[in-house]
Amino acid sequence: GENVEQHPSTLSVQEGDSAVIKCTYSDSASNYFPWYKQELGKRPQLIIDIRSNVGEKKDQRIAVTLNKTAKHFSLHITETQPEDSAVYFCAATTPGSSNTGKLIFGQGTTLQVKP
Amino acid sequence: DAGITQSPRHKVTETGTPVTLRCHQTENHRYMYWYRQDPGHGLRLIHYSYGVKDTDKGEVSDGYSVSRSKTEDFLLTLESATSSQTSVYFCAIAGGPSTGELFFGEGSRLTVL
Repeated sequence: GENVEQHPSTLSVQEGDSAVIKCTYSDSASNYFPWYKQELGKRPQLIIDIRSNVGEKKDQRIAVTLNKTAKHFSLHITETQPEDSAVYFCAATTPGSSNTGKLIFGQGTTLQVKP
Repeated sequence: DAGITQSPRHKVTETGTPVTLRCHQTENHRYMYWYRQDPGHGLRLIHYSYGVKDTDKGEVSDGYSVSRSKTEDFLLTLESATSSQTSVYFCAIAGGPSTGELFFGEGSRLTVL
């Protein structure tokens, strides 16, 4: 089945700097790659996603890139702010035999943005 | 926020006792999921459902069972709780694989003593 590895596990940056989180996946059939943000004590929420027919997607200060050949994808946050401090999860999904889109998550990255 | 609620939100129980967590949605979504969250492991899929009475195993299904008799409810049962099942459990719903986004419940914190 699908396996998703996420690095680094923790990341500390100064406010205004950029942050990059990387994930690799194992199943070449995976076709959907979302990123979720989880603030302390809250539920995970989708912040951006990308499908396998697209190489890059941007939404204001965040962007995601996908390299299908290497089977890895990355989250880029520019001009980081203290409110970006949270745990970030990458995920990948592979259509199953019942087309259920089973979503497998990485281990998470704790991002700390220092004022 | 999507209409998804979990109960109970907090539970402390003893090893060997049965535990049932309930996920209720008002969105009429077809797909429902149970994940557990543990430090260093992220969110791991336990079981999921793609319709009434249609369920399948996830990554860490041993020791867990599920049932979905109605579209709106997805139950997770620990037949005989163990300390290794101490965790935060999240339910999630999705309209379908083509829609992508999962909407998570607020989580249920389970402590097995």
